[in-house]
This record gives sequence, structure tokens and C-alpha cells, in this order.
Amino acid sequence: EIVMTQSPATLSVSPGERATLSCRASQSVSNNLAWYQQKPGQAPRLLIYGASTRATAIPARFSGSGSGTEFTLSISSLQSEDFAVYYCQQYKNWPPEYTFGQGTKLEIK
Amino acid sequence: EVQLVESGGGLVQPGGSLRLSCAASGFTFSTYWMKWVRQAPGKGLEWVASIKQDGTEKYYVDSVKGRFTISRDNARNSLYLQMNSLRAEDTAVYYCAREWYSCGDYWGQGTLVTVSS
Repeated sequence: EIVMTQSPATLSVSPGERATLSCRASQSVSNNLAWYQQKPGQAPRLLIYGASTRATAIPARFSGSGSGTEFTLSISSLQSEDFAVYYCQQYKNWPPEYTFGQGTKLEIK
Repeated sequence: EVQLVESGGGLVQPGGSLRLSCAASGFTFSTYWMKWVRQAPGKGLEWVASIKQDGTEKYYVDSVKGRFTISRDNARNSLYLQMNSLRAEDTAVYYCAREWYSCGDYWGQGTLVTVSS
């Protein structure tokens, strides 16, 4: 099983500033990496797939990068609606054994 | 507008069974892989199962193999999860999601399953 590790567990950032979230895979997943945003009481929302491709209707302030085992989600100029929990998910293997990171909580500083 | 609406959750005793349903609308259901993902209270996300467009391929996380069965009815635009031999650790909100490049691009609001005596 590919283990996904996110850091930090909690990130405190002021509105208008930039946030950088990290995700590490226990083995290479190439670019088979997605990022999701989840707000309390809501379902996850797909932000990024293919490590760097924004999903439909996702604002340009969200960007993803990385490949292999190291990945980053960057959010430039944080808006109030961006404070949430973020998960990474790998989908490298076939047959599928999709695994998620434990999440990073992005909170207002 | 794509919509996924789960139902069927509730309180069940350990060892019991439950069948979850997911009603899909707003897209051509029969052309997409579908999946179930769960989230234990206060915890992260865990993929549970996926099913191919025609139902001929099904995949599960190890912890539910032999106990859960994913299925679909394309004529009814519906996805199902039959859960047997339920355990306390199966307690979670269960989401159905449409697969896009093996990711979930649309999700339902979730249905809560509580396994407790």
C-alpha cells in the first residue's frame, strides 16, 4: 500500500497571504496525485488532478506541482472561503488501491 | 447539473447488514466509473470501492473485501453498496462519487452509518 503523508497537520496563515501544503508518497506515484478541499459538514471538492491540472471551475489561485514522491498545493492570496481541510490522494496503482493523506487543516492566523 | 444523493444509512448492530443507495442525475451515469468513499467521525477519507461503467469490474479496499459489495443499475441511474458483517470500525459517513481520471469530481452529501449495540 502506498502511504501518503501530509505536512503540516495544521497551517495558520493570514488572509491575503500564500499557503503551501505538502504531500509525500511512500513510493513514486508519477503524477497520479489529486488534491481535495473539504469544509465542515460538506463533501470533498476536487481541486487538482494529474498533480497540476485544475479541476473545473477551480480558481487560478490554486496550483499544484510535483511528481514522483513530493507534491505541493499552493494557494496564493488566501480568501476567507479557502480555510478548510485539504487532502491529497494518489491513484497510481492498478487495480486501484487509492489512498489519501491524513489531511492538512488550513486555519486563519 | 450533476447530482448524487445517498440514502440508506442508519444505526445497525455489529454483525448486521445495510444497503446504501446513490441516485445520480445530470450526467450519463452509464459512461462513468463510480466509487464509494467513507470518512469516520473526525477522521480522514478512505476509498472503499469502485465499479466500472458496465459493472464487470469491481475493486475494494482490503478491510471490506468479502463483506461489502458494490453494484450499479444503469437503467435506474443508481449505485449501491451492500454492507454485511458490519463492525464498529465501519462507522462513517459514506459518500458516493463520480470518477474522473480516478479522482472523485462530483460527490454526494453523504449518509451516516453507525455500527453500535
